[in-house]
Amino acid sequence: EPEVTQTPSHQVTQMGQEVILRCVPISNHLYFYWYRQILGQKVEFLVSFYNNEISEKSEIFDDQFSVERPDGSNFTLKIRSTKLEDSAMYFCARGVADTQYFGPGTRLTVL
Amino acid sequence: QKEVEQDPGPLSVPEGAIVSLNCTYSNSAFQYFMWYRQYSRKGPELLMYTYSSGNKEDGRFTAQVDKSSKYISLFIRDSQPSDSATYLCAMSAGSQGGSEKLVFGKGMKLTVNP
Repeated sequence: EPEVTQTPSHQVTQMGQEVILRCVPISNHLYFYWYRQILGQKVEFLVSFYNNEISEKSEIFDDQFSVERPDGSNFTLKIRSTKLEDSAMYFCARGVADTQYFGPGTRLTVL
Repeated sequence: QKEVEQDPGPLSVPEGAIVSLNCTYSNSAFQYFMWYRQYSRKGPELLMYTYSSGNKEDGRFTAQVDKSSKYISLFIRDSQPSDSATYLCAMSAGSQGGSEKLVFGKGMKLTVNP
């Protein structure tokens, strides 16, 4: 059983459109993360979320990105105006004690 | 110098071989070290994690950390075709491995041939 689930598994969008990626933790935890992986490249940190607030964000996480936990359960990543270079796999992860568990990812394709 | 360096391979070995995967790092603040396995277009799957220096064994897998040399390794004994995947090292400087961002290596693609 996955530690977290992510929806959708694949999202295709036009450049300039807004997308919302969702992460549903199986159980309640304090630490959540979004990472992305451009095809053929390393997994990169985007943002961390602790106790319902952003605790750290990377240079990649500019004003086009936002995160929310709107209902105390689902954890969303919003990209306001997508660019071609936003095409990547996006992973949600939860922090548990000494490690992190990743979801299956959402593949975002921007045309 | 990159924070975490990992030879991307690819590495191809015969079934039953011992596989050694390595990463080096530059940030002495890293305390937690993890190995993930990733299949194409799937999420990283945690294999092992260790804290500070030393060895940790789990079945056919052994993780080693040498903080003095800033060098970590994953050994796979009696490798199987099902071990074919990309192996990612990741590190955290947090007070717990789950409490701060992970910094990843690029990943080593391993193929185990029957």
